[in-house]
Amino acid sequence: GAGVSQSPSNKVTEKGKDVELRCDPISGHTALYWYRQSLGQGLEFLIYFQGNSAPDKSGLPSDRFSAERTGGSVSTLTIQRTQQEDSAVYLCASSFTSTSGANVLTFGAGSRLTVL
Amino acid sequence: QQPVQSPQAVILREGEDAVINCSSSKALYSVHWYRQKHGEAPVFLMILLKGGEQKGHEKISASFNEKKQQSSLYLTASQLSYSGTYFCGTEPGGNQFYFGTGTSLTVIP
Repeated sequence: GAGVSQSPSNKVTEKGKDVELRCDPISGHTALYWYRQSLGQGLEFLIYFQGNSAPDKSGLPSDRFSAERTGGSVSTLTIQRTQQEDSAVYLCASSFTSTSGANVLTFGAGSRLTVL
Repeated sequence: QQPVQSPQAVILREGEDAVINCSSSKALYSVHWYRQKHGEAPVFLMILLKGGEQKGHEKISASFNEKKQQSSLYLTASQLSYSGTYFCGTEPGGNQFYFGTGTSLTVIP
């Protein structure tokens, strides 16, 4: 697609329920990142996928969080047994590798999660 | 792991200049700068590689001192459209890409 697409844009859920957030990256971008941004805060790294390599899960805050990327394209971030502190905007980014070898990230609009 | 930015917040009048600093505890391969307007996704401004200084966007430029593991973003003759939160992003090597703590910039008429 033309940009990084995320859905849903807004999700309100009750504490203890599971949620799935979807990210559709730019076609041809091999790398995909998930970040969490709490209100007024910075961007917290969650997980990184690169091609067919094993994902870097070092940023996931607990075992309630998981993510997968099917066929090297669409990614789903799953949060099980949601807690109120999970409320945040979840941003997905995909990247290409520039001629210099560095990655340039393009972000989606984010999924705003509210846990009641 | 997270780079530290300073200042945390700055208010400018139109036409004034500002400098935002980014400091990392890890060696850097490259430094990126992004701007996020309220309620929107971060948008890429520019990238700096080792030894490079790049003028990338409007009257915004940046420098990168890989020895000191620091980068600075220079905003010249600021415009109202410059308002937003600025993040530096670093690739310390490997897979991770970390963003700084953010600097809120407000430009007033």
